[in-house]
Amino acid sequence: NAGVTQTPKFQVLKTGQSMTLQCAQDMNHNSMYWYRQDPGMGLRLIYYSASEGTTDKGEVPNGYNVSRLNKREFSLRLESAAPSQTSVYFCASSVRTATGELFFGEGSRLTVL
Amino acid sequence: KQEVTQIPAALSVPEGENLVLNCSFTDSAIYNLQWFRQDPGKGLTSLLLIQSSQREQTSGRLNASLDKSSGRSTLYIAASQPGDSATYLCAVGPGSGGSQGNLIFGKGTKLSVKP
Repeated sequence: NAGVTQTPKFQVLKTGQSMTLQCAQDMNHNSMYWYRQDPGMGLRLIYYSASEGTTDKGEVPNGYNVSRLNKREFSLRLESAAPSQTSVYFCASSVRTATGELFFGEGSRLTVL
Repeated sequence: KQEVTQIPAALSVPEGENLVLNCSFTDSAIYNLQWFRQDPGKGLTSLLLIQSSQREQTSGRLNASLDKSSGRSTLYIAASQPGDSATYLCAVGPGSGGSQGNLIFGKGTKLSVKP
């Protein structure tokens, strides 16, 4: 049972470089999310997709873009990475936004030098 | 703005003890509340989901209660084991006035169960 799969698990970038974090779920969920987790700040929502074809900003969207490629896949792109984006990124999914149980991936640890 | 607080930030207990973890929130207009477990270097695992109309949920040795009017939830762990050592987070789903995607998380309680 794969659940929510994120790639890559670890990445080191230099300031100004770009990269895309990939996320896929195999539970036929409608809603998908990207969170970041920082020490002392807890989990904060970056972007979410309530259903295929829609995306919305969360609490901390600046510096990020997302694409809901299809029902299974939701990617997060950093166009010009900054040291402030050093964090652990989690993808999650649920049957519907806010009303259902949330399932998380294992996380992607990103370091920006 | 909804704020979720978890106290204490860390807790250490001997094996076998029953314990309670606390979660409080400032806006009682919530849709649901979820408790998660996070092991070091891992993602979050959902433990219990309580809808706003419910008072409690149980799963095995875990029991979560919800009191919307006072803005509180507790997670009760019976007969704690070393394998229960992890960080426990609660998150509230917004009521009708909030963004439907934006669960608000507490910062967690780090539990250590000593053998």
